[in-house]
Amino acid sequence: EIVLTQSPGTLSLSPGERATLSCRTSQSIGSTFLAWYQQKPGQAPTLLIYGVSSRAPGIPDRFSGSGSGTDFTLTISRLEPEDFAVYYCQQYGFSPMFSFGQGTKLEIK
Amino acid sequence: QVQLQESGPGLVRPTQTLSLTCTVSGGSISSGDYYWSWIRQLPGKGLEWIGYIYHSGDTYYNPSLESRVSISIDTSRNQFSLKLTSVPAADTAVYFCARAHYNTGGFDIWGQGTMVTVSS
Repeated sequence: EIVLTQSPGTLSLSPGERATLSCRTSQSIGSTFLAWYQQKPGQAPTLLIYGVSSRAPGIPDRFSGSGSGTDFTLTISRLEPEDFAVYYCQQYGFSPMFSFGQGTKLEIK
Repeated sequence: QVQLQESGPGLVRPTQTLSLTCTVSGGSISSGDYYWSWIRQLPGKGLEWIGYIYHSGDTYYNPSLESRVSISIDTSRNQFSLKLTSVPAADTAVYFCARAHYNTGGFDIWGQGTMVTVSS
């Protein structure tokens, strides 16, 4: 079973700063089936990035994804107040077919 | 615009069966492009994928829940449903239905989620 480990657990930054969130998989998943989500309290997650680096429709270009193999990164180039939330990575295709990381909380410093 | 809406009891007794339905509007559940999934979020925790059903009726479940889970589809009603049997209190969670494209595996559409509490 593949395990996704996100770091850091909590990231404290100020608006305008750059955020770098990491997702490491326990085995190589190539360069295709990795997604990122944003979740705000009381809401369902929102798809930000799919296919490692493709932005979902309507997602601002300050969000970008990169990586391959076992190491993946979500970068938010310049934080806006609405970006402070919990972020999850997710893989597709390896047992158990779909699985999520434990999340990174991005909080205002 | 495709929308998903979960429905079902908010309270289930321990050892009973949790049953939820997801209604798809604005699009057809019979589209061959998507996996229709159930995902849950335990209180204060992360996301756990439960399983999916394809329009053909093919299913795939998380091995950790496989012995207690079944997902079915009703294309005439544009709905798919979750049954989770013999629930303990640890199954208390917000349950989401969601759609993933089979090509990308990203969940692009989610229901708002429904809180299910397992308690006597």
